[in-house]
Amino acid sequence: AQKVTQAQTEISVVEKEDVTLDCVYETRDTTYYLFWYKQPPSGELVFLIRRNSFDEQNEISGRYSWNFQKSTSSFNFTITASQVVDSAVYFCALSEYTGGGNKLTFGTGTQLKVEL
Amino acid sequence: GAGVSQSPRYKVAKRGQDVALRCDPISGHVSLFWYQQALGQGPEFLTYFQNEAQLDKSGLPSDRFFAERPEGSVSTLKIQRTQQEDSAVYLCASSRTGDHQPQHFGDGTRLSIL
Repeated sequence: AQKVTQAQTEISVVEKEDVTLDCVYETRDTTYYLFWYKQPPSGELVFLIRRNSFDEQNEISGRYSWNFQKSTSSFNFTITASQVVDSAVYFCALSEYTGGGNKLTFGTGTQLKVEL
Repeated sequence: GAGVSQSPRYKVAKRGQDVALRCDPISGHVSLFWYQQALGQGPEFLTYFQNEAQLDKSGLPSDRFFAERPEGSVSTLKIQRTQQEDSAVYLCASSRTGDHQPQHFGDGTRLSIL
């Protein structure tokens, strides 16, 4: 069975600090996809990134960067120079093929609080 | 609209009542998913549609839960004889295809069973 572990329940930082959110996953599939979503207080899950298991290149998008390491089954997310607007719950998810589609297995999320 | 639309935003029902939750996916999206999110937890998969076909309902907690998407667009999640443990946020998501495309989520329906 697939599993995603986000060991950090809550992280508090001061604005402009860098912060890394950890994600460890388990799967028996050789081909799989990983995702990060942001859930602000409004509740809507916002897609941030998708990464497939064959692409281990790190990715950077503005202040966001992702470190995928297949050897340790980790897909960590770093926010550089955090801002108050980054405060949200962040979910890591693993995609599993099902009957023609793909269902997501989510971690329990990391609550990030960025304070002034 | 441009995004996934869910209604109602909030629903309060007495234990034993039936409820129906609606999801209007992004136009043209083939795949539609329902998830259940308990307080402080990540979303958990309930069921998946490809057009009007329900291809996976393995996550539905009991036979009191029923979902349909008769014309391949709008979907309804129905819960019969609601129980307190059904209280949660129900999220709907859609994607262009089923090939591991990013799923786009609605705001959810917060269901409270008294």
